[in-house]
Amino acid sequence: DIVLTQSPLSLPVTPGEPASISCRSTQSLLFSNGYNYLNWYLQKPGQSPQLLIYLGSIRASGVPDRFSGSGSGTDFTLKISRVEAEDVGLYYCMQSVQTWAITFGQGTRLEIK
Amino acid sequence: EVQLVQSGAEVKKPGTTVKLSCSFSGYTFTDHYIHWLQQAPGKVPEWMGLVHPEDGETIYAEKFQGRVAMTADTSTDTAYMELRSLRSEDTALYYCATEKSGGFHHWGQGTLVTVSS
Repeated sequence: DIVLTQSPLSLPVTPGEPASISCRSTQSLLFSNGYNYLNWYLQKPGQSPQLLIYLGSIRASGVPDRFSGSGSGTDFTLKISRVEAEDVGLYYCMQSVQTWAITFGQGTRLEIK
Repeated sequence: EVQLVQSGAEVKKPGTTVKLSCSFSGYTFTDHYIHWLQQAPGKVPEWMGLVHPEDGETIYAEKFQGRVAMTADTSTDTAYMELRSLRSEDTALYYCATEKSGGFHHWGQGTLVTVSS
């Protein structure tokens, strides 16, 4: 199975400051159609995960534009341009290039300083 | 508005079977794959498998092969996930989610399954 490694695992951020999370894969997530099958989710306390970014860089419906995704192949990054209090929670990357063996990163906990 | 509503919490004894449901509204049920995920307390979500409502095609994660069955009823727009031979490690929240372009765009609220003797 593809292993995704996130860093950092804990991310204290001052409101209004930027934040960045890395996700590295043991195999390329670039499919033959030219898209990277890498997603980012936020799970707020007590809630279901919510999709932020899919296909590496496309914001999901309703996601604020302060969230952006980039990268290709095996290295990906989620950036928050200006962190807000409501962004607190666990961030996961997930690969779906192997539809038969979808895997998640171990999660990054974002907290407000 | 797309909504996925899952069935209520379950308490089961080890060795028994649980069957969870996920009811869909707000979109065409047969248009997208439906995935199920397990999230043990304090853990990362784990993908269990998928079902395609249009033709019943299923793919299961190796970890759950032989113990899980996923189905979809197009007459009621409801998906089901059955997990057999329950053990204490199956105590978890179970989510259904719809997939489009590789991402899980809509999620159910989750169903808590507790396995205890």
